[in-house]
Amino acid sequence: EDQVTQSPEALRLQEGESSSLNCSYTVSGLRGLFWYRQDPGKGPEFLFTLYSAGEEKEKERLKATLTKKESFLHITAPKPEDSATYLCAVQARSGGSNYKLTFGKGTLLTVNP
Amino acid sequence: GAGVSQSPRYKVAKRGQDVALRCDPISGHVSLFWYQQALGQGPEFLTYFQNEAQLDKSGLPSDRFFAERPEGSVSTLKIQRTQQEDSAVYLCASSLGAGGLNEQFFGPGTRLTVL
Repeated sequence: EDQVTQSPEALRLQEGESSSLNCSYTVSGLRGLFWYRQDPGKGPEFLFTLYSAGEEKEKERLKATLTKKESFLHITAPKPEDSATYLCAVQARSGGSNYKLTFGKGTLLTVNP
Repeated sequence: GAGVSQSPRYKVAKRGQDVALRCDPISGHVSLFWYQQALGQGPEFLTYFQNEAQLDKSGLPSDRFFAERPEGSVSTLKIQRTQQEDSAVYLCASSLGAGGLNEQFFGPGTRLTVL
């Protein structure tokens, strides 16, 4: 069974204080690893897709990286508007249901001014 | 262009009532997904449509849950005889291609509270 574990569950940072969020996964052949941002009362907002170990993607202050067992979301010099829950999800390559996303519980990030 | 929209945004039901939740996907998107998100948890897969065909309903919690997408666009998730454990946010997502090859874009969700 595909599993995704995110850590920490919650992270509080000061504005400008860089840090990383972790997503560990076990999947029967990785098709893709996805990062989403979710604000309170809203649906998840797509950020990145990573497909193979060693791949990196960047968007503004966010950078996602991927290894064979985990992914990191690095946040450089965060601002208060980066406060949100960050969700990680995997999509398996094998089996008949390679379209479904299996999500972790998320990391609640709070950036204080 | 418009994103995925869902209605109603909030629904309060008495235990035993039937409810219907609507999803309008992004125009032209072939794939449509329903997920359930409990408080403090990540979304969990319920069902998948490719056009009008429901290819996977393995995540539906019980036979009280039913989903349809008759014309390959708008979808409805129906819950019969609601129970308190059905209280959650129901998220709809759509993606351009078939088989989940593309990113899934989510709607704002419907928050269902069963009293």
